[in-house]
Amino acid sequence: GAVVSQHPSRVICKSGTSVKIECRSLDFQATTMFWYRQFPKQSLMLMATSNEGSKATYEQGVEKDKFLINHASLTLSTLTVTSAHPEDSSFYICSARPGENSPLHFGNGTRLTVT
Amino acid sequence: GNSVTQMEGPVTLSEEAFLTINCTYTATGYPSLFWYVQYPGEGLQLLLKATKADDKGSNKGFEATYRKETTSFHLEKGSVQVSDSAVYFCALRAGNQFYFGTGTSLTVIP
Repeated sequence: GAVVSQHPSRVICKSGTSVKIECRSLDFQATTMFWYRQFPKQSLMLMATSNEGSKATYEQGVEKDKFLINHASLTLSTLTVTSAHPEDSSFYICSARPGENSPLHFGNGTRLTVT
Repeated sequence: GNSVTQMEGPVTLSEEAFLTINCTYTATGYPSLFWYVQYPGEGLQLLLKATKADDKGSNKGFEATYRKETTSFHLEKGSVQVSDSAVYFCALRAGNQFYFGTGTSLTVIP
């Protein structure tokens, strides 16, 4: 149980375009989902906490106008990288948990390459 | 504040060797502790967890014991396999927040 599905797994886009990444909880409802960014050989950096039905909470230094988060339902959160630039190239991972005392369950990540 | 400190890698071991990856933490209150594993090109998978002092988490031959007195949660495995090659992350949950270590890359050679 507690499966988190993330799509797409890889995406290549041109500089200036926008890319949408989807994160779904397949067998549980998640009022909160988390978006992380991982640089090569580095740990996870929490970007934002996605809240169903309300605005996302962004970590310090993360541009909310660039990384748009929408949590329209209890099983779906989306991250849109707007006007992508090569420096946005990274591995983005979403996570969610079935309950307050549950561990985080992660999607398989999305490798974004901006050319 | 809350934080996780993890031994730096990379770690390279021969198959069937004993593995220890050190993890210590600082936290206010009583955190839950986790080890996650990340295989190449994938997201993180929960490996094991412990929710209170002296709890031992175990899975797939890996073990870690929640040591409050030393604020540690070291990961161990008695005999590693090539398929254990991955990056391992120690993490804690305090309240609604998760904190991750920097990850330790493990390569097991035949």
